[in-house]
Amino acid sequence: NAGVTQTPKFQVLKTGQSMTLQCAQDMNHNSMYWYRQDPGMGLRLIYYSASEGTTDKGEVPNGYNVSRLNKREFSLRLESAAPSQTSVYFCASRNYRVGGTDTQYFGPGTRLTVL
Amino acid sequence: QKEVEQNSGPLSVPEGAIASLNCTYSDRGSQSFFWYRQYSGKSPELIMSIYSNGDKEDGRFTAQLNKASQYVSLLIRDSQPSDSATYLCAVNGAGSYQLTFGKGTKLSVIP
Repeated sequence: NAGVTQTPKFQVLKTGQSMTLQCAQDMNHNSMYWYRQDPGMGLRLIYYSASEGTTDKGEVPNGYNVSRLNKREFSLRLESAAPSQTSVYFCASRNYRVGGTDTQYFGPGTRLTVL
Repeated sequence: QKEVEQNSGPLSVPEGAIASLNCTYSDRGSQSFFWYRQYSGKSPELIMSIYSNGDKEDGRFTAQLNKASQYVSLLIRDSQPSDSATYLCAVNGAGSYQLTFGKGTKLSVIP
């Protein structure tokens, strides 16, 4: 049981390059999330998927796209990377039922540098 | 705009003391409340969740919730140097799929 896994762990891009961050969970959770974390800014939600087949924008979606490939996998794509996207990216999955239990777990993160 | 406020710290406590971490939130409809611990360079780790008013204890950790005051706290008893980390408070609004996180309080436990 690996929980939430992310690839790659580290990445360096040049401005304008594209890349996809991969995330997978094996906890059978319905909801998945992508956050970025910057010094002094805390965790900011980029996109989320409440359930398989749906995606929604979070607080800072500009410059990103997502795909909920199936229940297990949720990817984040940077089409044309910019230095402002240098950050640590966390994927999370959540077992949430309205009025029921609620647990959200994070993956280990991807450290992205855009030059 | 839903907000979650925490003192950024650093909060320094001696080893063996009680560390008290506080969090206030703006959304009165919030229903789920969480504390995460994040070591430097690592991902946030869920340590406590609380859904109803009162106290919830788990080992050395106690979460306290007061919905009337829109306040949630985390007490760490017998603090250890290994508890030194940033503690994030997170809140879920009614029917929302989005957690709102505070910016975290940095705790240092001094041996």
